[in-house]
Amino acid sequence: DSGVTQTPKHLITATGQRVTLRCSPRSGDLSVYWYQQSLDQGLQFLIQYYNGEERAKGNILERFSAQQFPDLHSELNLSSLELGDSALYFCASSATGVLYNEQFFGPGTRLTVL
Amino acid sequence: KNQVEQSPQSLIILEGKNCTLQCNYTVSPFSNLRWYKQDTGRGPVSLTIMTFSENTKSNGRYTATLDADTKQSSLHITASQLSDSASYICVVSTADYGGSQGNLIFGKGTKLSVKP
Repeated sequence: DSGVTQTPKHLITATGQRVTLRCSPRSGDLSVYWYQQSLDQGLQFLIQYYNGEERAKGNILERFSAQQFPDLHSELNLSSLELGDSALYFCASSATGVLYNEQFFGPGTRLTVL
Repeated sequence: KNQVEQSPQSLIILEGKNCTLQCNYTVSPFSNLRWYKQDTGRGPVSLTIMTFSENTKSNGRYTATLDADTKQSSLHITASQLSDSASYICVVSTADYGGSQGNLIFGKGTKLSVKP
């Protein structure tokens, strides 16, 4: 158990809808990262937040947005969902804002868009 | 374009045997390279991390090597166990220069199956 929690575990929704994924980092960690993992693409880094502020951006679509709250939990919002958004979404956390520090991954949220 | 290529895509070995997984990257500017182990349906777990100046790093039965000149890394697993069955992912970080926060580039992974 990494200490990172994600909810929900599974999410099934329809095209065009909007969903919110939630992540709580390990106690004491200030950075939260979001990743998308689909079968044919592997893990893709989406975005990093550090102590409430956006820190680094990867391949995040404009339809996706994230934020980190004062209690350091984070939410990833996915809107205008398409079939291709079906994937595992992982959240990770680390102690500092340095991108390449060891990250601890949560169990993931499996999103299915029908 | 920054890319990380891993080979083989999948590998089947017998328990107790050794194996080597490869990672080639074209990432600039390079910061470090990390190997992750990901069990099916679970989040990745870090095995090793190496910076530009490091050639070898071990973590138990896992040994990673890095050749920064040829931009290649390998992960060697000795005396494999059934619990080694997983995907192994190579991740390269770009450097954080001049206000740019850098990026993480993931390989697609090698799926290892260890059979009894």
